[in-house]
Amino acid sequence: GENVEQHPSTLSVQEGDSAVIKCTYSDSASNYFPWYKQELGKRPQLIIDIRSNVGEKKDQRIAVTLNKTAKHFSLHITETQPEDSAVYFCAAKYQDKLIFGTGTRLQVFP
Amino acid sequence: GAVVSQHPSRVICKSGTSVKIECRSLDFQATTMFWYRQFPKQSLMLMATSNEGSKATYEQGVEKDKFLINHASLTLSTLTVTSAHPEDSSFYICSAPTWTSGTDTQYFGPGTRLTVL
Repeated sequence: GENVEQHPSTLSVQEGDSAVIKCTYSDSASNYFPWYKQELGKRPQLIIDIRSNVGEKKDQRIAVTLNKTAKHFSLHITETQPEDSAVYFCAAKYQDKLIFGTGTRLQVFP
Repeated sequence: GAVVSQHPSRVICKSGTSVKIECRSLDFQATTMFWYRQFPKQSLMLMATSNEGSKATYEQGVEKDKFLINHASLTLSTLTVTSAHPEDSSFYICSAPTWTSGTDTQYFGPGTRLTVL
């Protein structure tokens, strides 16, 4: 089955700096890679996604890159703000199911 | 985005009782819904896939007799935790896919925090 690894587990940055979270997946059949932001006690919220026929996608301060050959995908947040502080999960779609990474706790200090 | 609701948001029950959690897609139909469990500071672990009109598909290690799933309609799936024990205390979240830009995007419910005393 699919296995998704996510690094780092925690990430602290100064407001205005960039943050990068990386994920790898194991099954080349996975074709859809969403990123979710989860605040404490709340539901995961989809922030950006990328499909396997695209190498990069950007939405304002958030971008995602995908390297299918290496089975890597990454989330990039630029000009971080304190409200970006949350846990971020990557996921890979495998056989109609989403398999999640272990999560990254991002803290943005003012 | 699409809206998925869950009820109740919190439940506290005694050990040995059963608890039912409802998941509804409010503005779209979902033939498939997914149930996840999330322990504190951990990731979302898929428990089962709920299928409208047929049996649920359970992930390895999930007891189907303990976690009963019923997909009663195209907008409602229920998860019943039977004979709950303290180790079942967790955050249970459902999700439902809806088609966006040529593929299905999953939207999550707000979750149900279950505490078993």
